Amino acid sequence: DVKVTQSSRYLVKRTGEKVFLECVQDMDHENMFWYRQDPGLGLRLIYFSYDVKMKEKGDIPEGYSVSREKKERFSLILESASTNQTSMYLCASSRGLAPVQSSYNEQFFGPGTRLTVL
Amino acid sequence: QKEVEQDPGPLSVPEGAIVSLNCTYSNSAFQYFMWYRQYSRKGPELLMYTYSSGNKEDGRFTAQVDKSSKYISLFIRDSQPSDSATYLCAMTISNFGNEKLTFGTGTRLTIIP
Repeated sequence: DVKVTQSSRYLVKRTGEKVFLECVQDMDHENMFWYRQDPGLGLRLIYFSYDVKMKEKGDIPEGYSVSREKKERFSLILESASTNQTSMYLCASSRGLAPVQSSYNEQFFGPGTRLTVL
Repeated sequence: QKEVEQDPGPLSVPEGAIVSLNCTYSNSAFQYFMWYRQYSRKGPELLMYTYSSGNKEDGRFTAQVDKSSKYISLFIRDSQPSDSATYLCAMTISNFGNEKLTFGTGTRLTIIP
């Protein structure tokens, strides 16, 4: 079974703090993703990575950065946390190119980290 | 206008009923259509995916895609209390692996015993 784990289930931080969210996957997946989930807005992509040390911006990268030093680990960094970054953060991973056009490589999600910034 | 629209519900139906969940989209380039199920305090998990138009059945679940209308549906037959969850539609253009998924906002479903 694919397992994606996230370092914390619940986190409370103060405005201005630097926050690290860690994600680890155990299936040697090439791709890793960070989303945030907010009521009424659904899941929105923050950053993704398709290889070690590679990263691409998603739809809402402002205020965030990422790090992928090892294939199995993808970190999300809030350089200076703000109250509008209070949210559920979800990490996901997937394999690379699917073998045939009609197939699809599933994104496997972790359990999420609920971050509250006071 | 959002690329993917999904009625957020909540939707409550009695056990055994047929449930219909729907999403509409605006980007005609989408080719892969997914339904994820998310239980409370858990991450989403893939329920079904469909490539291009047509129907796909898996047990009590049927996914339907109508690309001409830009409309996708998930039907749940003989609904069970264990089906109570939030259902998210998602879609993407390619299957290259690093593709960006575009999600609907999710529909919260409750099956009443």
